[in-house]
Formats: sequence, C-alpha cells, structure tokens
Amino acid sequence: NAGVTQTPKFRILKIGQSMTLQCTQDMNHNYMYWYRQDPGMGLKLIYYSVGAGITDKGEVPNGYNVSRSTTEDFPLRLELAAPSQTSVYFCASTPSGGNEQFFGPGTRLTVL
Amino acid sequence: GEDVEQSLFLSVREGDSSVINCTYTDSSSTYLYWYKQEPGAGLQLLTYIFSNMDMKQDQRLTVLLNKKDKHLSLRIADTQTGDSAIYFCAETGASGTYKYIFGTGTRLKVLA
Repeated sequence: NAGVTQTPKFRILKIGQSMTLQCTQDMNHNYMYWYRQDPGMGLKLIYYSVGAGITDKGEVPNGYNVSRSTTEDFPLRLELAAPSQTSVYFCASTPSGGNEQFFGPGTRLTVL
Repeated sequence: GEDVEQSLFLSVREGDSSVINCTYTDSSSTYLYWYKQEPGAGLQLLTYIFSNMDMKQDQRLTVLLNKKDKHLSLRIADTQTGDSAIYFCAETGASGTYKYIFGTGTRLKVLA
C-alpha cells in the first residue's frame, strides 16, 4: 500500500489564484481529513469526511472547499488564495472503528 | 470548546529521560494519543491510551494519564538524537471518535 499520498509537495500561488490540493489513500478508509499546520499552532481541522458523498466543516473551513466522490480521493480546493492561507496542509485518513490517523507527507503552500 | 495544550519546547541530553506534558479540557475524551512529526514529514502515531487506563508502557515510552486533572504525559527513557522531533498530543472526545483535537506540539531537542 502507498498509504496516503498528496500532490503537489510545494506550491507558490499569487493572491487570487485558485488551486486544488490532491489527496488519495489506498487503504479503503472511510474517514478522511484535511488539516493545516501553522508554526506554533498545531494542527487545525479544515474539513473532514466520514464516507463518499459526505463532507463536513472543521474548525477553519473559510476559504476552502472539498468533495468526496470516491472513497479514495478527498481533494481540497482553494478558490481565491490569500496570504493567510500560507501553511503546510496535511491530509489524513482513518479506518472505521480504528484509532490511528494515517497522514500524508504534506503540501507546503505559499501565497504571495 | 475542546482544547489541548502543550509547552512548545523541551531540550534534554542524550541518555536522559524526556517528559512531555499535555493538558486537555474535554472530560469526555475517549482516547488520547501521542504523535511524532519528523522534519518535513507528516505525523506518525507513537502510542495511545484509552481513557479508563492510568498508564501504558511500550518499550522506551511510558504514557501516564491523570483523568482527574486532565493531564497526559509521555516519558521517553534513554532519549536518543533520533528522538528529536515535534510531539503532538491529541484526543477524541464527545464529538465522536473520528474527530481529533491536536495540541500545539512540543519540539524536543536532544543534545549529544
């Protein structure tokens, strides 16, 4: 299994541009999550999904959108990038009834 | 709302024990976790403890839970330079075992 994969690894955006951060897992996990990590701030939950077709807002959803059309994929969309969205973004997944969150390697995004 | 707090930095000498502390506010926490993040990587689960346990030992790692004070600690015996990383405390609480609240992370530096 490849586990949780994220693309791209790095990206620089200009203010107002849009992009999609990709996340895929091949472990057939039902639960998937998007977090952002800012220095000294820990991880903040942006959106999560408990299964295909179901998504819900986390703690900091403003400026982001997600979709979950398949069990494997959980893309995160930024429509109008702002400097406040400069962060490292992590995707994670968990099996139903499981405890461990499996994390992807992260995407480092800079908005200038 | 639910909150998890940790101190930001800890420095120890190689061979000494490290103790990383965490406090949480959600009295209905079901599981409490310790994750490790190495530079440029995602988080990896180190260990977790169920809320009805006081202690869990796993090789060099000892987790202590004081439910009354809502205090969790991670002790690393015989700390090595490879243990240098950021350590995150996390909990799953009343909102459901699929929703995790992470602390700010403690950066452990091991001096040779």
